[in-house]
Amino acid sequence: EIVLTQSPATLSLSPGERATLSCRASQSVSTYLAWYQQKPGQAPRLVIYDASNRATGIPARFSGSGSGTDFTLTISSLEPEDFAVYYCQQRSNWPPLTFGGGTKVEIK
Amino acid sequence: EVQLVESGGSLVQPGGSLRLSCAASGFTLSSYNMNWVRQAPGKGLEWVSYITSSATTVYYADSVKGRFTISRDNAKNSLYLQMNSLRAEDTAVYYCARDMGFGVIFDYWGQGALVTVSS
Repeated sequence: EIVLTQSPATLSLSPGERATLSCRASQSVSTYLAWYQQKPGQAPRLVIYDASNRATGIPARFSGSGSGTDFTLTISSLEPEDFAVYYCQQRSNWPPLTFGGGTKVEIK
Repeated sequence: EVQLVESGGSLVQPGGSLRLSCAASGFTLSSYNMNWVRQAPGKGLEWVSYITSSATTVYYADSVKGRFTISRDNAKNSLYLQMNSLRAEDTAVYYCARDMGFGVIFDYWGQGALVTVSS
């Protein structure tokens, strides 16, 4: 089973700042990595797929990069609606499909 | 508009059974592979099960294998999860999620159904 480790667990930032979230895989997942955003009481929402492709309707301030075992989700300038929990997910070697433990982006 | 609506969540005793349903609209269910993903209270996401568009292939997480059964009725635009021998650790919000179409990427999610296993 591929284990995904996300860091940091919590990121405290102000609106307008840049957010950099990390996801590390226990073995290579090529570029088969997705990122999801989840707000309290809501279902997750797809943000990035295949490491760097923005999902439909996702603003350009969101970008993804990486390959192999190290991946980054960057939010170039945080908007108030971006404060949420972000999860990474791999589809390279499954079952099982696995998610990271999440990074909470909170308002400083 | 793509919509997924889960139903069937409730309080059930340990050892009991429950069947979740997911009603799909706004797209042709028979063209998509589907999944169930769950989230325990205050915890992260856990993939539960996957079924191909024609139901020829199914997969399960080890934690539910032998107890849960995924199925679908494309004519009724519905996905199901039959849960037997429920345990306290199965307590979670259960989401149905559509597979994007070229890999297991969850592009649409339902709002979730809460299953609570407790005596």
